[in-house]
Amino acid sequence: EADIYQTPRYLVIGTGKKITLECSQTMGHDKMYWYQQDPGMELHLIHYSYGVNSTEKGDLSSESTVSRIRTEHFPLTLESARPSHTSQYLCASSARGNIQYFGAGTRLSVL
Amino acid sequence: EDKVVQSPLSLVVHEGDTVTLNCSYEVTNFRSLLWYKQEKKAPTFLFMLTSSGIEKKSGRLSSILDKKELFSILNITATQTGDSAVYLCAVEAADNFNKFYFGSGTKLNVKP
Repeated sequence: EADIYQTPRYLVIGTGKKITLECSQTMGHDKMYWYQQDPGMELHLIHYSYGVNSTEKGDLSSESTVSRIRTEHFPLTLESARPSHTSQYLCASSARGNIQYFGAGTRLSVL
Repeated sequence: EDKVVQSPLSLVVHEGDTVTLNCSYEVTNFRSLLWYKQEKKAPTFLFMLTSSGIEKKSGRLSSILDKKELFSILNITATQTGDSAVYLCAVEAADNFNKFYFGSGTKLNVKP
């Protein structure tokens, strides 16, 4: 079983709040990813990282930012949440092989 | 534009039935195709396919890839209620980062 953790699992907040979604993995994987998934829709890559101090934007435009100061930690931050940010956010990691291991996800609702 | 298309979008069957889920793709520099099972939480890995015509099998689940026709199928025999989930297909591109493209999934509901 993969060791990748996301917190919180569920979050309901008001518009304009700053939030940080946490993602940690204990597998020593270099590559980490953030995906956004709306109900019944495909996963869209919003951020990824090759390793420490490396971050890139994915295919889906996102107002969020990420950081990778430590190998195991890849938090995602929204400076000012809006209702359009309501979605599920999935974090994943992979080693040099190509299997991605996913966290349980954070369901975000912005009121 | 790179894309992955899964069909059907949803499927309702009864226990004991056999189902076939489809995944077609158009991805530049194909490297591998992966199947995941997503229940209420994290997608869990099922299979990775890189070569055409070689069946991967795990219990009642099996999958095969056709790189000429650009598709893969996932078969589940003797379905059980525990197979109810969304099945995701992802294709990895052999670009600088090995980006993954996901389909929208097939929602399988197995009724007792």
